[in-house]
Amino acid sequence: GENVEQHPSTLSVQEGDSAVIKCTYSDSASNYFPWYKQELGKRPQLIIDIRSNVGEKKDQRIAVTLNKTAKHFSLHITETQPEDSAVYFCAASIGSSASKIIFGSGTRLSIRP
Amino acid sequence: SAVISQKPSRDICQRGTSLTIQCQVDSQVTMMFWYRQQPGQSLTLIATANQGSEATYESGFVIDKFPISRPNLTFSTLTVSNLSPEDSSIYLCSVPGQGSNGEQFFGPGTRLTVL
Repeated sequence: GENVEQHPSTLSVQEGDSAVIKCTYSDSASNYFPWYKQELGKRPQLIIDIRSNVGEKKDQRIAVTLNKTAKHFSLHITETQPEDSAVYFCAASIGSSASKIIFGSGTRLSIRP
Repeated sequence: SAVISQKPSRDICQRGTSLTIQCQVDSQVTMMFWYRQQPGQSLTLIATANQGSEATYESGFVIDKFPISRPNLTFSTLTVSNLSPEDSSIYLCSVPGQGSNGEQFFGPGTRLTVL
């Protein structure tokens, strides 16, 4: 079945440095790739997404890149701050309908002061 | 984005009993999704709740264990039946965004503990 793999499972970076989280997906028909941030005890929040007709998208300190050929997409956070500490989930749409998404296993990001 | 609420926010239940979780949205939506998030894990889609038709369940989830109702376009319930400690999880509903981009927005979740 469809699968999304996410790495690393945990990531610790110095405040001010960059963080990169990588995902791969299996369904070649996937065309929508969102990223969610989940703080402890809270609901997942959509932080950025990208569609398959775009290779890169940026929103302030966060950016997402997509390589459809390799079925890879990545989240980049620059100038990390303590409030970036959270669990991040990548996801991919199932097929081309974009109505259902499957999640990666999550990355726990810790920002060291 | 839509405003989504869930009830209860948390509950502690005895094994063998059932818990019904409600999800309310402030706008009409065609589809509502129910997810399970086991402790320290990712989100797993249980089923898609469609108004006016049976819910569509994902592999590994069955209607007898997770019956779903969808009486109108703003409301859905998920029942977790015949509870066992393995059902201890956070259950979240989600709805699509206003556009057709595929984005989903989540309710606050219901934390279920089964003793």
